[in-house]
Amino acid sequence: AQSVAQPEDQVNVAEGNPLTVKCTYSVSGNPYLFWYVQYPNRGLQFLLKYITGDNLVKGSYGFEAEFNKSQTSFHLKKPSALVSDSALYFCAVRDGDSGAGSYQLTFGKGTKLSVIP
Amino acid sequence: SQTIHQWPATLVQPVGSPLSLECTVEGTSNPNLYWYRQAAGRGLQLLFYSVGIGQISSEVPQNLSASRPQDRQFILSSKKLLLSDSGFYLCAWSHGQGGQPQHFGDGTRLSIL
Repeated sequence: AQSVAQPEDQVNVAEGNPLTVKCTYSVSGNPYLFWYVQYPNRGLQFLLKYITGDNLVKGSYGFEAEFNKSQTSFHLKKPSALVSDSALYFCAVRDGDSGAGSYQLTFGKGTKLSVIP
Repeated sequence: SQTIHQWPATLVQPVGSPLSLECTVEGTSNPNLYWYRQAAGRGLQLLFYSVGIGQISSEVPQNLSASRPQDRQFILSSKKLLLSDSGFYLCAWSHGQGGQPQHFGDGTRLSIL
């Protein structure tokens, strides 16, 4: 079975400061990891993914995430937060070694990011 | 480019009434399709997924059903809604390759009275 933990329900950061949203995962095979953002009353928007290769992946809107296999973590980061980054962020994992089929994702419960002007 | 459409955006239904939510994808063929429910507590629960026309897999036994009558059309239905069916329903699609992300529609807010 696969699982994702987002240990913080809410993260508050001042505008212009760096932000980190934490994610740890558990999967039996190779992890495929994803970050999504959700604005109120909207669907989830894909930000970035890690499949293989460089541990630091860059995505949309200046976000990046670092894959750490030993710590089974995939934290989302941004060097300088904007007020418009305030939203709900979801981490998701899939077992890359599972057989062909639905390619189901397991999502964390989400972290609400508030960027304070 | 690919787009995904869900409708209606909001829906208020009485207990015991039927339900039909529709989702269509444009700009791609043979996508994997998914229905999720997002409760007020934020977490996403996978309800159904489909890898092809007429192929539906259910993740959670419930009062709902899904159908895929065409390659890019995915329908969520119920014969009799329960109060517990209230929530935010999201449709998503992905390509068949495992490393590809899922892409979500803007959801339907369903309230049961």
